[in-house]
Amino acid sequence: IAGITQAPTSQILAAGRRMTLRCTQDMRHNAMYWYRQDLGLGLRLIHYSNTAGTTGKGEVPDGYSVSRANTDDFPLTLASAVPSQTSVYFCASSDSGRASDTQYFGPGTRLTVL
Amino acid sequence: GENVEQHPSTLSVQEGDSAVIKCTYSDSASNYFPWYKQELGKRPQLIIDIRSNVGEKKDQRIAVTLNKTAKHFSLHITETQPEDSAVYFCAASRDTGRRALTFGSGTRLQVQP
Repeated sequence: IAGITQAPTSQILAAGRRMTLRCTQDMRHNAMYWYRQDLGLGLRLIHYSNTAGTTGKGEVPDGYSVSRANTDDFPLTLASAVPSQTSVYFCASSDSGRASDTQYFGPGTRLTVL
Repeated sequence: GENVEQHPSTLSVQEGDSAVIKCTYSDSASNYFPWYKQELGKRPQLIIDIRSNVGEKKDQRIAVTLNKTAKHFSLHITETQPEDSAVYFCAASRDTGRRALTFGSGTRLQVQP
């Protein structure tokens, strides 16, 4: 069992380019989340999905989009990357999306936008 | 929306001493308060959590206390060990609305051997 995986591990991207970060979980969790982690700011929610077919905006959604076509996958797309999107991105999942469900995090993707 | 503040941002203790990290939250409807530990270059991992109907919870050397009236909660680590060195994050969430976690900004704990 892999749990939750992310790809790529790291990426250097030119500003203006489009980029999709991949996230896959094999725990059959209903809820999935994308966070970005910046030094001194902790983890901030970008987008979330409580179940396949639905998505919602988090604290910092601008410049990002997501889709949830099935239970396992939750890709995050940067349509036109900007340097302020340089960050470490974590995908997470939880069983049912209840507030008290444990969230399990993926290993992260380190993204640098030049 | 919810706002979670965490203090201190850095904490250095001697091995064997206790460490306390404090968080405050703004949304009185929040009812779940987990703590995550993140080692350098690793993913955050849940170490303990507490729900709003409980005032204190312990798990070996770690404990969490919650004061709903004052809207603050704390992580206590006793008999600290070098392997406790990491960044610790508190978070809060609620069962209605967005339901996702709002994290504090983190505390870097350094345990000196």
